[in-house]
Amino acid sequence: EPEVTQTPSHQVTQMGQEVILRCVPISNHLYFYWYRQILGQKVEFLVSFYNNEISEKSEIFDDQFSVERPDGSNFTLKIRSTKLEDSAMYFCASSAAEGHEQYFGPGTRLTVT
Amino acid sequence: SQQGEEDPQALSIQEGENATMNCSYKTSINNLQWYRQNSGRGLVHLILIRSNEREKHSGRLRVTLDTSKKSSSLLITASRAADTASYFCAASGGSNYKLTFGKGTLLTVNP
Repeated sequence: EPEVTQTPSHQVTQMGQEVILRCVPISNHLYFYWYRQILGQKVEFLVSFYNNEISEKSEIFDDQFSVERPDGSNFTLKIRSTKLEDSAMYFCASSAAEGHEQYFGPGTRLTVT
Repeated sequence: SQQGEEDPQALSIQEGENATMNCSYKTSINNLQWYRQNSGRGLVHLILIRSNEREKHSGRLRVTLDTSKKSSSLLITASRAADTASYFCAASGGSNYKLTFGKGTLLTVNP
């Protein structure tokens, strides 16, 4: 069964460093999302992406964040200068169409020290 | 903004019993999706119910939706120890169908 994959599973970085989180959405899906979950808190929407552009972003998704679909399979989230408060589990999700099921990857646990 | 909120926050039952979790949201939705998360792991999609549907079944899962009360419920019948997890509802609406999650219900099924 097709699934969303994410790498790495765990990333430790120092404050101020850049990180790139990678996702491979389900192959025939067109809509892509990033969410994050700070330990013990709700899953929060970051950004949605369709047709090679951002369709919506949350207040969390500031100038330090960017997304890219560099080829036909990968979808990346970049944090330019990480802060301690960026420590969280980051989930990628994809959907075949608007209003359809969103399938999530296993997540990348980002720890900023 | 729309928001899924589950109750109870925690539920402990014996294997074989049914578990019911409730979810409320604040604004109109396109659909509502339920997910399961084992501790520290990814979100597993369980079921999607559209705003024009009232009930949906999938195996041992039954989801209801009451748009007049802005609420949904997830029923797991004949629970198993392997059902132990956190369960989240996520409301989808607006033009971009982003999901807004609740805090979840931690279900413990005791063998």
